[in-house]
Amino acid sequence: ILNVEQSPQSLHVQEGDSTNFTCSFPSSNFYALHWYRWETAKSPEALFVMTLNGDEKKKGRISATLNTKEGYSYLYIKGSQPEDSATYLCAWQYNFNKFYFGSGTKLNVKP
Amino acid sequence: EAGVVQSPRYKIIEKKQPVAFWCNPISGHNTLYWYRQNLGQGPELLIRYENEEAVDDSQLPKDRFSAERLKGVDSTLKIQPAELGDSAVYLCASSLEGFRTDTQYFGPGTRLTVL
Repeated sequence: ILNVEQSPQSLHVQEGDSTNFTCSFPSSNFYALHWYRWETAKSPEALFVMTLNGDEKKKGRISATLNTKEGYSYLYIKGSQPEDSATYLCAWQYNFNKFYFGSGTKLNVKP
Repeated sequence: EAGVVQSPRYKIIEKKQPVAFWCNPISGHNTLYWYRQNLGQGPELLIRYENEEAVDDSQLPKDRFSAERLKGVDSTLKIQPAELGDSAVYLCASSLEGFRTDTQYFGPGTRLTVL
């Protein structure tokens, strides 16, 4: 069963709060896990590509971890800012050029 | 470097009408993807091109959808005739070679509303 789940579906935090989301995916046939940020009226922007169990990636205040054995990835945002408001999508790559996207976590950061 | 360009950004049509979407990928990117995102769901692949060849169109509803990528650059996705259930965001993406962990670069999408 190809099923990628993201939780929560939506999140409202105050500026300065730290937050995290989860992407769950099947632990078999793993090639890579991709994270994207999609701001309203803009193009989805690639954040991270993760391939190895235990991978940790960081970009500014955003970081991600990967556990391929149990099939999950966490995305963390430290000290959320209003400009972090967006939908965060993960995509499980399970074969050469086969991707299955989650439905996203919509983050709203209030000033 | 210019990103992936899509047009139109928004389209409203009545059911049974035809509609076409256009995508210009990043220069030099050989792999092009068309996705459809229904409300509340993640993007789902419709078709993938390697240069001008459609290498994965298994999820493309071929009775009403067609696509082409002339000369391995721009691509057009067409729906004829459109149905109410086709209302969605249609995303185009491109990647350099389509390798294992190649990053996909997305356009802003076309939001289609079928009345």
